[in-house]
Amino acid sequence: AQTVTQSQPEMSVQEAETVTLSCTYDTSESDYYLFWYKQPPSRQMILVIRQEAYKQQNATENRFSVNFQKAAKSFSLKISDSQLGDAAMYFCAYRSADFGNEKLTFGTGTRLTIIP
Amino acid sequence: DTEVTQTPKHLVMGMTNKKSLKCEQHMGHRAMYWYKQKAKKPPELMFVYSYEKLSINESVPSRFSPECPNSSLLNLHLHALQPEDSALYLCASSQGISGPKGETQYFGPGTRLLVL
Repeated sequence: AQTVTQSQPEMSVQEAETVTLSCTYDTSESDYYLFWYKQPPSRQMILVIRQEAYKQQNATENRFSVNFQKAAKSFSLKISDSQLGDAAMYFCAYRSADFGNEKLTFGTGTRLTIIP
Repeated sequence: DTEVTQTPKHLVMGMTNKKSLKCEQHMGHRAMYWYKQKAKKPPELMFVYSYEKLSINESVPSRFSPECPNSSLLNLHLHALQPEDSALYLCASSQGISGPKGETQYFGPGTRLLVL
């Protein structure tokens, strides 16, 4: 079974600074997808970024980028130029690429606080 | 548009009541999911429907009964719940086709359930 670990329960960052949230996972599969989701206090879970394991290039979405290290099974999220609206719980998630295996395995989350 | 809607936003029910949660998406997605989320915890998968057929039941108690009347709609019928069932219930959907975009899940805002 796959597991996802987020070792930082809470993080804080000054507005406009850069912060990195860590995520490690354990799997015996070679093909899979990794996701970062954001859940603000208003509670809707929003997709931040997605990475395919077979792609060596790190995914980026505007101020959000990942550092995907497949051999190390590491998938960290970097947020540049942090904004107040980035304050949220961030969940790292793993999904097998086996079609029909729809289960999304989540980490325990990192609560990010933005300091004005 | 990646919108999943859920009604009601809040629900309070007694242990003898019968109620239903509703989830709707109009993105043509063919896979839909129910999750339960306790405070400060990641979502836990309950059920998956793929092409209107139940494909995953994560050993959920029978007091939770899912229904997928059509490809756009997902219901969760509740009966004889316990206070420990109080939680945020999230619905999600995905295209249901192979590939990273096809298997990305999009979440609704959730229904906050309180069982008295």
